[in-house]
Amino acid sequence: KAGVTQTPRYLIKTRGQQVTLSCSPISGHRSVSWYQQTPGQGLQFLFEYFSETQRNKGNFPGRFSGRQFSNSRSEMNVSTLELGDSALYLCASSLGLLGEETQYFGPGTRLLVL
Amino acid sequence: GNSVTQMEGPVTLSEEAFLTINCTYTATGYPSLFWYVQYPGEGLQLLLKATKADDKGSNKGFEATYRKETTSFHLEKGSVQVSDSAVYFCALSRRSGNTGKLIFGQGTTLQVKP
Repeated sequence: KAGVTQTPRYLIKTRGQQVTLSCSPISGHRSVSWYQQTPGQGLQFLFEYFSETQRNKGNFPGRFSGRQFSNSRSEMNVSTLELGDSALYLCASSLGLLGEETQYFGPGTRLLVL
Repeated sequence: GNSVTQMEGPVTLSEEAFLTINCTYTATGYPSLFWYVQYPGEGLQLLLKATKADDKGSNKGFEATYRKETTSFHLEKGSVQVSDSAVYFCALSRRSGNTGKLIFGQGTTLQVKP
């Protein structure tokens, strides 16, 4: 079975731009969660989607948003990029809801904001 | 609240040495516990898990036992290899009502020298 895939793997943007990251979960998985990883803050939860509905949201500004499609694929969007948004963005999928099933992670998208 | 504390790194060992990375947690209810590993430039890989007290998770020579009485989930390996050099994350997962969480420790860097 193919694992979680994320595209693109690397991205360079400038301040003020927006960016969209994509995540395809493991086949059959209905839950997708997103995390931001930085050297200073570690791994921080962004949001969880299940059956096209946002179930949880972490403590991030409204510039961070996401959605999930009927095939469980998910996208996250960051608008008006800031230098501090430079990070590795990780997507994870699971069969069921976050906290009830094991999360499997993708390789991540490394975003650099200049 | 829920939290995970890992021993500070980096941990530097010689090949074939014994490894212990300490992890303790604070949680309400009965969380599941995980160890994830992150190799340079990659996403997180699930290393092992335990879902209830006294369970032992094991994989690739690594082991960890869910100790509810000491709220610990220490990672051990009898003989490390250079290829085990990576960052190791302890995590807990639980769901309460509509809110699910996967909470990570700060990560412990392991360097194994030949």
